[in-house]
Amino acid sequence: DSGVTQTPKHLITATGQRVTLRCSPRSGDLSVYWYQQSLDQGLQFLIQYYNGEERAKGNILERFSAQQFPDLHSELNLSSLELGDSALYFCASSISAVPGNTIYFGEGSWLTVV
Amino acid sequence: TQLLEQSPQFLSIQEGENLTVYCNSSSVFSSLQWYRQEPGEGPVLLVTVVTGGEVKKLKRLTFQFGDARKDSSLHITAAQPGDTGLYLCAGGTASKLTFGTGTRLQVTL
Repeated sequence: DSGVTQTPKHLITATGQRVTLRCSPRSGDLSVYWYQQSLDQGLQFLIQYYNGEERAKGNILERFSAQQFPDLHSELNLSSLELGDSALYFCASSISAVPGNTIYFGEGSWLTVV
Repeated sequence: TQLLEQSPQFLSIQEGENLTVYCNSSSVFSSLQWYRQEPGEGPVLLVTVVTGGEVKKLKRLTFQFGDARKDSSLHITAAQPGDTGLYLCAGGTASKLTFGTGTRLQVTL
């Protein structure tokens, strides 16, 4: 158990819909990361937040957005869903944003778009 | 864009065999990490290598960082079924880790 909690674990939704994935980081961790893992693209970095502020952005689509709340939990919002958005979405956390910090991954949220 | 290619993509071996997984890039990385991911779980960090030529050992696993810091290898001695999983190398900083294409290892009795 990494200490990073993600909900829901599984989600099936239709194209065009919007979903919200939730993440609670490890106790004491200020930095939260979102990753997408799909069969064809592998594991890809989406976005990072540190203490409520966006710190780094990766290959995140404009239809996707995220935020980190004052209690440090984070949400990833996926809208206008397409079949290709079906993937495993991971949240990870680390104590700070300093390079070299170990990041700890949650168990992921399986999203299936039908 | 920094890319990390891993080989082989798939590996199925019997318990007790040795194996090596490779992670190659055309880019220089300040550090490389190796993760193992088991079904239904997120990747778990195994090791971080920082210095060119560095060798780190974790029980039966030996990790090496290339002299030019563009490649790395993971060698497993006497593989066990518990070693089964997806092995991922990753480079860059925590703010923007680039993950490799992955090597799926299956160790059978």
